[in-house]
Amino acid sequence: QVRLVESGGGVVQPGRSLRLSCAASGFGFSYYDMLWVRQAPGKGLEWVALISFDGGNKYYAESVKGRFTISRDNSENTLSLQMDSLRAEDTAVYYCAKPPGRVNYFDSWGQGALVTVSS
Amino acid sequence: EIVLTQSPATLSVSPGERATLSCRASQSVISNLAWYQQKPGQAPRLLIYGASTRASGIPARFSGSGSGTEFTLSIGSLQSEDFAVYYCQQYNNWPPVFGGGTKVEIK
Repeated sequence: QVRLVESGGGVVQPGRSLRLSCAASGFGFSYYDMLWVRQAPGKGLEWVALISFDGGNKYYAESVKGRFTISRDNSENTLSLQMDSLRAEDTAVYYCAKPPGRVNYFDSWGQGALVTVSS
Repeated sequence: EIVLTQSPATLSVSPGERATLSCRASQSVISNLAWYQQKPGQAPRLLIYGASTRASGIPARFSGSGSGTEFTLSIGSLQSEDFAVYYCQQYNNWPPVFGGGTKVEIK
């Protein structure tokens, strides 16, 4: 079955960088767009970035544009999120998620990776 | 960007009762609306897509309705495992916006 496993979370100081990864299995990874969604403590869900199935198109929320970079390696079935110039407000659980097809709702989610930005 | 407003923020319901949750969109999303359930410490789980189609494995007590700007998620005869936070999400327009959530708690 579909499995998404995030890794790379942790505590980081403001202004520093962190890289999240999402290992995908159980489906044809290279055929699907993929998304990062985050959830600040006690708050709702916020989409962060989306990458097309072939990596050719990337979209970012205004709150992270210019600081975060989404990428993928279809040969390794891995999705990544490079987070630079981190701020306290980036503190959240980051989920990778997969749509069922060429639509933007999400039928599979990882367990999440907690990123804490604090001095 | 479309704004989704969910109400109420918190709904107190007794086990076995019915719960009705609302999601209102700032402009029409046709039927391109999904509902998710999230329990503490867990990832969201897709319940409904296309406003009214249950996702795979979702019990029949969950039903969605509505179109345009007004949507409803109904949970018939609440079970203990249904107490959670529920989010709506539109996918008619870019970006894929989520509502603020409704917490269904035990009365």
